[in-house]
Amino acid sequence: DAGITQSPRHKVTETGTPVTLRCHQTENHRYMYWYRQDPGHGLRLIHYSYGVKDTDKGEVSDGYSVSRSKTEDFLLTLESATSSQTSVYFCAIRADRDGQPQHFGDGTRLSIL
Amino acid sequence: AQSVTQPDIHITVSEGASLELRCNYSYGATPYLFWYVQSPGQGLQLLLKYFSGDTLVQGIKGFEAEFKRSQSSFNLRKPSVHWSDAAEYFCAVVLMDSSYKLIFGSGTRLLVRP
Repeated sequence: DAGITQSPRHKVTETGTPVTLRCHQTENHRYMYWYRQDPGHGLRLIHYSYGVKDTDKGEVSDGYSVSRSKTEDFLLTLESATSSQTSVYFCAIRADRDGQPQHFGDGTRLSIL
Repeated sequence: AQSVTQPDIHITVSEGASLELRCNYSYGATPYLFWYVQSPGQGLQLLLKYFSGDTLVQGIKGFEAEFKRSQSSFNLRKPSVHWSDAAEYFCAVVLMDSSYKLIFGSGTRLLVRP
């Protein structure tokens, strides 16, 4: 299994509070991704990183920010959580070689009340 | 725009029967394609991938998929389904820009009858 750890695995919080999710990898891969999974939508990309301090937006980035200060850690922050951000969040990593797939963590289930 | 369509939201098969899950893609160049499987409460596990060469690719757990450029399809097959194959299956295409991000279909949930 790819060395990816997401924390926390479950979180319940209230609307308007800040939330930070962490993705930690032990593979030293260059690429890291944050997706959200909602019924009927598959997985949609929020943000991704192609190196330390190098990040870019995905298709559903509004309301989210990310940071990557070390190769192994990629943080996703909801500055002021809203109920529409209730979802399951997945982190993925990818080696920088042609044809390499993304490997996924076990997810964080986030509920915003 | 690039997209992936999985036309079947749910499929139910009997244990031991054959299985085919459909995937159609829209992509301007030769695609890199993947199938992932997700068991309840788990992350996504890679079943197989295609990016060049033989159009029939073998994966883990006895799955295979066939790339058909003329039909823009990458259907997943298994000759004999086991109860443990009950899960959700996702087809995805890689966007071949600097992001290598995945475009996912909405998934097909497989139910297996005893």
